[in-house]
Amino acid sequence: DTGVTQSPTHLIKTRGQQVTLRCSPISGHKSVSWYQQVLGQGPQFIFQYYEKEERGRGNFPDRFSARQFPNYSSELNVNALLLGDSALYLCASSWGTGNEQYFGPGTRLTVT
Amino acid sequence: GEDVEQSLFLSVREGDSSVINCTYTDSSSTYLYWYKQEPGAGLQLLTYIFSNMDMKQDQRLTVLLNKKDKHLSLRIADTQTGDSAIYFCAEIPPPSGGSYIPTFGRGTSLIVHP
Repeated sequence: DTGVTQSPTHLIKTRGQQVTLRCSPISGHKSVSWYQQVLGQGPQFIFQYYEKEERGRGNFPDRFSARQFPNYSSELNVNALLLGDSALYLCASSWGTGNEQYFGPGTRLTVT
Repeated sequence: GEDVEQSLFLSVREGDSSVINCTYTDSSSTYLYWYKQEPGAGLQLLTYIFSNMDMKQDQRLTVLLNKKDKHLSLRIADTQTGDSAIYFCAEIPPPSGGSYIPTFGRGTSLIVHP
């Protein structure tokens, strides 16, 4: 079975720019969650989607937004990038919102 | 991850057992997870335990849960150099608005010496 996939693998952006990160869940999984992992820290929850609806939002500014598509894939958008947005962005999929989550390899975002 | 605490480093010799500890704050947490992260990679789910269990064993991995003390541990038997990684503990508190949102610790860096 194919695991969770994310694209791109690496990304370099300039302050003020916008970025879109993509995630495809494991086949059959209907829930996707997004996390930000800063170096030396554990993942911090950003969003959770289930059946295309937002089910949870972490303590992140409105510059962060996401959506889930009918095929359960998801996009995370970040506007007006700041240097502090540099991190590994992880996507995790699960069958439902309360089931164990399986993580993708992440997208490494560097903001200069 | 301020609600889930882990020691930052653990160093063991190859062949010894490793014990990684974690304390959590929400006594209502229903699930507790252990993840492994190798350099530059995502998180790999190792094992999880339901809050109504005290112990779970899966091959070289043993999870012990002390609900009274809100303490979770992961024991790795016969630790190998390939076990060198960062290990994250995560708790799932009761749902908020229908969403189960994990809280992760900062991770314990396990270093295995030959």
